[in-house]
Amino acid sequence: GDSVTQTEGQVTVSESKSLIINCTYSATSIGYPNLFWYVRYPGEGLQLLLKVITAGQKGSSRGFEATYNKEATSFHLQKASVQESDSAVYYCALSGNNNAPRFGAGTKLSVKP
Amino acid sequence: GALVYQYPRRTICKSGTSMRMECQAVGFQATSVAWYRQSPQKTFELIALSTVNSAIKYEQNFTQEKFPISHPNLSFSSMTVLNAYLEDRGLYLCGARQGDTEVFFGKGTRLTVV
Repeated sequence: GDSVTQTEGQVTVSESKSLIINCTYSATSIGYPNLFWYVRYPGEGLQLLLKVITAGQKGSSRGFEATYNKEATSFHLQKASVQESDSAVYYCALSGNNNAPRFGAGTKLSVKP
Repeated sequence: GALVYQYPRRTICKSGTSMRMECQAVGFQATSVAWYRQSPQKTFELIALSTVNSAIKYEQNFTQEKFPISHPNLSFSSMTVLNAYLEDRGLYLCGARQGDTEVFFGKGTRLTVV
């Protein structure tokens, strides 16, 4: 089936340092999936951070970026300089058109001041 | 803006009883609604996808007999957890979208089974 694998557990990064959260996907029933990163801040609901629907393109939002790499089936999330306010749980997800997103396990980011 | 409200936010039910949770879309027409469950230490598992004018599609390991869903109009959906047991505890999330636009999520209903 279709699935997403991402850096599991918790990642701790010092403020102003760079971040990468790995995400790879398997899309056996969807030829060209849409790829997403969602974020859940403490006490908040799940919200879309960025999405890319075309292979080879890059999405960006709030200083985060991710590139849809079809050859490597990857969609890693990166940020050059994290802030304490970026502390949250990040979920990589995929979907086909008109299908519901399927999520990875989630990665809890803690940014140390 | 587009918002999704879920209620109750938290609920406790006795083992073997049932619990109904609701999902309200505000500011857009929810032509499709997806229900998820996040069990402790796990990710959000898709339970089912309900699309207007189509049959509700349940994922493997989830059935209509256990998780009946209603989607009577373009702003509301509900799901019931029938005969809840310990393994049903977790955070139940509703995601709604209009057409093929972005999916908007509620904050979830946290179910505790005692």
